[in-house]
Amino acid sequence: SAVISQKPSRDICQRGTSLTIQCQVDSQVTMMFWYRQQPGQSLTLIATANQGSEATYESGFVIDKFPISRPNLTFSTLTVSNMSPEDSSIYLCSVEDQGFGKKLFFGSGTQLSVL
Amino acid sequence: LAKTTQPISMDSYEGQEVNITCSHNNIATNDYITWYQQFPSQGPRFIIQGYKTKVTNEVASLFIPADRKSSTLSLPRVSLSDTAVYYCLVGDMSDQTGANNLFFGTGTRLTVIP
Repeated sequence: SAVISQKPSRDICQRGTSLTIQCQVDSQVTMMFWYRQQPGQSLTLIATANQGSEATYESGFVIDKFPISRPNLTFSTLTVSNMSPEDSSIYLCSVEDQGFGKKLFFGSGTQLSVL
Repeated sequence: LAKTTQPISMDSYEGQEVNITCSHNNIATNDYITWYQQFPSQGPRFIIQGYKTKVTNEVASLFIPADRKSSTLSLPRVSLSDTAVYYCLVGDMSDQTGANNLFFGTGTRLTVIP
């Protein structure tokens, strides 16, 4: 199983600013996934990040708002840009098990509050 | 993409067996069924995965009938620490992009009562 570290674990930000969330995995993985979980809700996939190519965004999410970097096989960042209170959520990084089964492993998340 | 339906919430007393059923009527031939557990302030954690019949591990059992249109996660003798949200996902194991295994439904919020 993969061990995923996310930073920061939580932050309080002002409206209009941007926050970059870091995700570090203890092994090389092909794809990394970013999710958003709004208060009391399920997880919503934001985008899939492959190393060496642009991220693939799900419907309702755009690169200008959520730019993603994937510089190598163990690291990714998600930036939440020009934040508004509606962006207050938990942001989760995830990777897929490299063996059979396509199980997902998650970081502990970043709790973001926008004032 | 097989959609899943689960009860929104369930309550159970400590020590009881809990069964959470997930409906996935349009499950495809290559789809597997995977369950995750999420505690507050944590990311989801893999519990169990199966294709058909019964799968058991140290945490839970997964029962899948022959038509595979539903599955039941069984938690034996729950304790207060089993209070969490449980998600059922259905996805294509042959899909190399992994896309079908990435979409979470509403989940079932299990509350274990002393």
